[in-house]
Formats: sequence, C-alpha cells, structure tokens
Amino acid sequence: DSGVTQTPKHLITATGQRVTLRCSPRSGDLSVYWYQQSLDQGLQFLIQYYNGEERAKGNILERFSAQQFPDLHSELNLSSLELGDSALYFCASSVGQGITGNTIYFGEGSWLTVV
Amino acid sequence: GENVEQHPSTLSVQEGDSAVIKCTYSDSASNYFPWYKQELGKRPQLIIDIRSNVGEKKDQRIAVTLNKTAKHFSLHITETQPEDSAVYFCAARDNQFYFGTGTSLTVIP
Repeated sequence: DSGVTQTPKHLITATGQRVTLRCSPRSGDLSVYWYQQSLDQGLQFLIQYYNGEERAKGNILERFSAQQFPDLHSELNLSSLELGDSALYFCASSVGQGITGNTIYFGEGSWLTVV
Repeated sequence: GENVEQHPSTLSVQEGDSAVIKCTYSDSASNYFPWYKQELGKRPQLIIDIRSNVGEKKDQRIAVTLNKTAKHFSLHITETQPEDSAVYFCAARDNQFYFGTGTSLTVIP
C-alpha cells in the first residue's frame, strides 16, 4: 500500500458525460500528480499541484480540469467524455514540488471505461 | 523540458538470465532517477532509485547504474524469475518527473 488513495476504482460511463476522480495523497505529501495510462501505453503526465496551486501542466485536454483542496486531496474532472478517454488514471504524490521533492508514489488508479 | 528515452520496448529472457534496460535523458539538471515496476492492471511501484551524486546502487538482484556524462542510466536484474515479468519504467527528475515509455519484460520459465 503506497498510502495514496484513489476513488472510484472502476467507473463506466457514457460518451458526453462528466466524471470526477478523487485522490488523497500520502500523509505529509504536498504534491499531487495526475497521469493517464491507456491500454499498452506509457504514463502520460496530465497535471501537478503543490499545496493547492497548479505547478505544471502536461498533455491535459481542455475538457479535463483538476484542483487541489486545502486538505490536499485532489480531484480530476473529465467532461464531454469520448471513447478515447477510456484509460487508467493514476494519482501520485510526493513530499515536495519537484526540485526538492522525494520519490513519487502512485495510487492504485481509477479505471475509466467510456461506452 | 526533459526527454527520457527507454530501450528496449520489449525484452524476453530465460529464467535465471540477466535483464538490462537502458534509459537516456537530455537535461543535465536532472538529479534523481527512479525505476518503477508495473504489473498488469496495477500501480507502478518504486523498485530502486539513484541520485546524481551516486554512480551505482544495488538492492539484492536489482542494480541501477548512472553515467552522468553520457546522460544514461540502466536497470540490471540478475537471476531473473517469472515474477519479475512486468513493465518497467524509468524516470528522470529535474523539477518534474519525466517517464520513459516502458519496457515489457517477460521471464520464460
């Protein structure tokens, strides 16, 4: 157990719908990262937050948004869902914001299936 | 930004043989290099890491080497076992984590 908690574990939804994925980082970690992993693909970096503020953006679509709350949990919102959005979405956390941060730890992921 | 390349994309070895996975990076500012193992449908798990002030690190059957001058680092698994079969990702960190594209390792019993 990495200490990073993600919910829901599995989600099936229809095209055009909107979903929210939730992540609680490890205790003491201030940075939260979101990654998308499609079937047989690598880890695509979406976005990073540090202590409530956006720190870095990767290949995140405009239909997707995220935020980190004062209690440090984070949510990834996916809207106007398309079939191609079906993937495993990982949240990860680390102590720092990158330069001084330590290892990044991954949650179990949220499986999203868009039908 | 940083660019991490990982080779090979797939690797098959006989049980008991060694496996080597190589990664290169582009940003000389990168100072931390973790390796993750991901089993099918599971989360990536850290298996070993190395910092830029160290050239080699070993943990039982797993070792990582770093060549800062050439900007490459490698994962070495000795005496491979079937349970080593997984996808392995390298990563480099400057102020962000950049992942390689993964290597699917199959250990044949």
